[in-house]
Amino acid sequence: GAVVSQHPSRVICKSGTSVKIECRSLDFQATTMFWYRQFPKQSLMLMATSNEGSKATYEQGVEKDKFLINHASLTLSTLTVTSAHPEDSSFYICSAIRQVGNEQFFGPGTRLTVL
Amino acid sequence: ILNVEQSPQSLHVQEGDSTNFTCSFPSSNFYALHWYRWETAKSPEALFVMTLNGDEKKKGRISATLNTKEGYSYLYIKGSQPEDSATYLCAFLEGGSYIPTFGRGTSLIVHP
Repeated sequence: GAVVSQHPSRVICKSGTSVKIECRSLDFQATTMFWYRQFPKQSLMLMATSNEGSKATYEQGVEKDKFLINHASLTLSTLTVTSAHPEDSSFYICSAIRQVGNEQFFGPGTRLTVL
Repeated sequence: ILNVEQSPQSLHVQEGDSTNFTCSFPSSNFYALHWYRWETAKSPEALFVMTLNGDEKKKGRISATLNTKEGYSYLYIKGSQPEDSATYLCAFLEGGSYIPTFGRGTSLIVHP
């Protein structure tokens, strides 16, 4: 099956630093990738839709200046959490839409802890 | 905002029991419904993509049905095993959109 990777899988950082998370579709091209965040005991919350070659579309309530998304190529999208604060600690997961079949495949997620 | 509800929120069953849970979604402008199995610390695993009213899909001991007219889908697990313990998520896609709306999931725990 199709594979989506995320890096890093786990990151611990100090408050005020920026953290970049990469999402890659390893064996297919993905014009669209999604970034989700999981709050404790809750389901996935869509943060933004990332389209290759254009600006990301952010969901209501998600700060675009805080969560920078770049979809530089058909296989790579990055999420940068700028000036991270403890409340940004969460599980961030990306998914990619494979054009053939229009199926969604998830990355393994990144656990971010901000001290 | 689309309303996608899953019930129950959590479920504890004994090994060998059969169980089912529900995903309800808007009955208008339906495009597809996805079911995922999500184990802790792993990424969601796609189970089924349901697109037609009356669809019934099966994968091993897990099956799902779809009723788009009334806006619900059932997921069934026959003879639950401890390894079935996970959160089961449904995601609704309405026509014209490729952005899924997830339910909150049903957390299933199967006790040996």
